[in-house]
Amino acid sequence: AAGVIQSPRHLIKEKRETATLKCYPIPRHDTVYWYQQGPGQDPQFLISFYEKMQSDKGSIPDRFSAQQFSDYHSELNMSSLELGDSALYFCASSSDFVATGNTIYFGEGSWLTVV
Amino acid sequence: DAKTTQPTSMDCAEGRAANLPCNHSTISGNEYVYWYRQIHSQGPQYIIHGLKNNETNEMASLIITEDRKSSTLILPHATLRDTAVYYCIVRDRVRIQGAQKLVFGQGTRLTINP
Repeated sequence: AAGVIQSPRHLIKEKRETATLKCYPIPRHDTVYWYQQGPGQDPQFLISFYEKMQSDKGSIPDRFSAQQFSDYHSELNMSSLELGDSALYFCASSSDFVATGNTIYFGEGSWLTVV
Repeated sequence: DAKTTQPTSMDCAEGRAANLPCNHSTISGNEYVYWYRQIHSQGPQYIIHGLKNNETNEMASLIITEDRKSSTLILPHATLRDTAVYYCIVRDRVRIQGAQKLVFGQGTRLTINP
């Protein structure tokens, strides 16, 4: 079965640079979530989108922005990168219109290292 | 904020049943109990969820107490590949502009020993 696809899987950036992560949800899923997981920490919710509109917002820095496009894929843009942004970033998706009953499924994550 | 309490770590022998407890004493009638696990640095993997009845699937069983204030995830025959951090998460089933997010707490680090 198709899963949540994230790219790139690994990314190395320098401080003050910009990074963009992409997420392709499971087909027919209408909701996308972004999470950040720092070293030794639990996943922290950043932001979510439903039908291309922001639906919920967590502890996302102002330097970060995200959007969901007409094909339901999503991008997380991170600017003025700091060392503390080094983390594993997960995208997840869900839908109410499939038999799974809005269970959330996660991608394998994108590793961002800021040097 | 996470609404669940789990042991920080547990050990289980390979081939035995692993029973992971979770307390969610403030759970409301609109909230499901979800279980996910995360094998080192991989994406969290959905295991099972329930509202008030016990549930079973190919991965595990979920036992929810009658008052819904606690639950137990059971892995019937644990293998070394079940070593992971297991998260018990309470999630509101009410949809407001899309399905509700998951809020991860500390989780239980389960180690399966040979």
